[in-house]
Amino acid sequence: AQSVAQPEDQVNVAEGNPLTVKCTYSVSGNPYLFWYVQYPNRGLQFLLKYITGDNLVKGSYGFEAEFNKSQTSFHLKKPSALVSDSALYFCVEDTDKLIFGTGTRLQVFP
Amino acid sequence: DTGVSQNPRHKITKRGQNVTFRCDPISEHNRLYWYRQTLGQGPEFLTYFQNEAQLEKSRLLSDRFSAERPKGSFSTLEIQRTEQGDSAMYLCASSLSQGYGYTFGSGTRLTVV
Repeated sequence: AQSVAQPEDQVNVAEGNPLTVKCTYSVSGNPYLFWYVQYPNRGLQFLLKYITGDNLVKGSYGFEAEFNKSQTSFHLKKPSALVSDSALYFCVEDTDKLIFGTGTRLQVFP
Repeated sequence: DTGVSQNPRHKITKRGQNVTFRCDPISEHNRLYWYRQTLGQGPEFLTYFQNEAQLEKSRLLSDRFSAERPKGSFSTLEIQRTEQGDSAMYLCASSLSQGYGYTFGSGTRLTVV
């Protein structure tokens, strides 16, 4: 069974606008959740993680994510999108190995 | 520390041939993982090691696939009698422990013709 779900295959946003990439998880208890980004022809890069503590997690390149236990969500956000943010984003659960979501392609238009 | 290194970067092979890929993890990381990624999809877990012990294998890993990590350092992934369906990007990652964070290599792209 899928541990994390990314309901959007693609998200389009204009440069300068806020962006949200959605993720929901299904594991009970306290999940370890990550966001990774994959640029074309490049490896997977770590953005941020939630293990415990503050529900708002800040990561690389101005990204942040909010862990919401009641909604079992871990949405990725950025206040102002850049064209260079265009990439494939994966929500990931760490169950002693990483289980990847299906990915959401973010397209930021100038 | 140069990160996780994978070799070769690309491999083209004929169907039925055997191929072997190598992964050199970050030196202090005792966990090493192999994943497979096809175009536009998320990486799928194949197997992982803690030191030299192979702790888990995915059902995706048929008996044509074998992985080793002698001495708990580098790892090799071998595919015997390759099939066209094996064409994918094979990714290696290493980590200190669960929740710590995983560093991925650039991958080996396999094309079976």
